Amino acid sequence: QLQLQESGSRLVKPSQTLSLTCAVSGGSISSGGYSWSWIRQPPGRDLEWFGYVYHSGSTYYNPSLKSRVTISVETSKNQFSLNLSSVTAADTAVYYCARAVRGYNNYYMDVWGKGTTVTVSS
Amino acid sequence: QSVLTQPPSVSAAPGQKVTISCSGSSSNIGNNYVSWYQQLPGTAPKLLIYENNKRPSWIPDRFSGSKSGTSATLGITGLQTGDEADYYCGTWDNSLSAVFGGGTKVTVL
Repeated sequence: QLQLQESGSRLVKPSQTLSLTCAVSGGSISSGGYSWSWIRQPPGRDLEWFGYVYHSGSTYYNPSLKSRVTISVETSKNQFSLNLSSVTAADTAVYYCARAVRGYNNYYMDVWGKGTTVTVSS
Repeated sequence: QSVLTQPPSVSAAPGQKVTISCSGSSSNIGNNYVSWYQQLPGTAPKLLIYENNKRPSWIPDRFSGSKSGTSATLGITGLQTGDEADYYCGTWDNSLSAVFGGGTKVTVL
């Protein structure tokens, strides 16, 4: 059974870069047809999608966050990562990684990590 | 403010049925498949419905989805206390981003 586990910095200072990694187990990140995504959920608020990466390394980002976001993949380690630069308190949230199906007129996340809470504070 | 509009809350007694609406536009729901996610308290979202009305194999048939025009609906029949959760709709938006609704809290009375 495919499992995803987020790890990384839980406390980040304002203006610094938030870095998270998602380790994939129970399956290969290189298996075709899937993209690998990051989503966050600020306290009591809506889900916000960052973008995705394919095992080939090709990426697609949410236009509203694109200037601050980098998503990358390391197939040899079966993991992918999120970097979010110039963080502020508004970036405090639970961050989730997920496997996503991307097709014509279709996009949904079928496997989610448990999430990790990141706080931005000095 | 979310791109997709959901009611903040719905409630019903055990065994009853609830429906949750998700309203969008031609740039999202109107031209793309809709998915639904269940988020139990303190846990990550879980896929409930994909491609408007399909259920993963582990989801009971008490859960159903439908879509008409620029709106979608999630139905839960035979409501159980374990169904108390937040439910989110999601889809692709032609502004080139995945989008979600604001979530609906289901309460079992």
